[in-house]
Amino acid sequence: TAGITQAPTSQILAAGRSMTLRCTQDMRHNAMYWYRQDLGLGLRLIHYSNTAGTTGKGEVPDGYSVSRANTDDFPLTLASAVPSQTSVYFCASSVGQGADYNEQFFGPGTRLTVL
Amino acid sequence: RKEVEQDPGPFNVPEGATVAFNCTYSNSASQSFFWYRQDCRKEPKLLMSVYSSGNEDGRFTAQLNRASQYISLLIRDSKLSDSATYLCVVKRPGTYKYIFGTGTRLKVLA
Repeated sequence: TAGITQAPTSQILAAGRSMTLRCTQDMRHNAMYWYRQDLGLGLRLIHYSNTAGTTGKGEVPDGYSVSRANTDDFPLTLASAVPSQTSVYFCASSVGQGADYNEQFFGPGTRLTVL
Repeated sequence: RKEVEQDPGPFNVPEGATVAFNCTYSNSASQSFFWYRQDCRKEPKLLMSVYSSGNEDGRFTAQLNRASQYISLLIRDSKLSDSATYLCVVKRPGTYKYIFGTGTRLKVLA
């Protein structure tokens, strides 16, 4: 079982360009999440989705958008990248929101550099 | 005060040693707690959930102290392969939010 896959693995992007980070899970999890991880700041939630068709804002949503057209896919789009969006991006999923003891599982990450 | 706090370390311990990390949380209503392991430049991986009565998985033991609002992770007989950053995670009850600590770095020395 693949679990969660992310693409690309890494990317160098010119400031002002747009980019979509892809995330796919095959565990039929209802909930999916996007985090960014920066040195000294830990993982911060960008956007989340309770279930297909719904999305919500996390802690640091500005400059990012998401969609959840189906259960498996949860792409993250940067409309106009800025250098402060240089980070490692992790996609995660869990069985479903609301239930406690609902472990998250992470994809391998996308390392993005915006110049 | 941060919602989840960890000592960043590093904790440098010899092989075979026992080491313990604590993680404090500020939301007394929190119900779900986890320890994740993260290797350099890799994704976090679930190490164990932390249950009210405490739980053990091989050399790893997790404890919850609600009165003092902290969770702990004990690693016995440390291996070189245990070298990693250990992330404490607290889930806000009934919400989507998992709050991550910044991690405690462990180095096991030969």
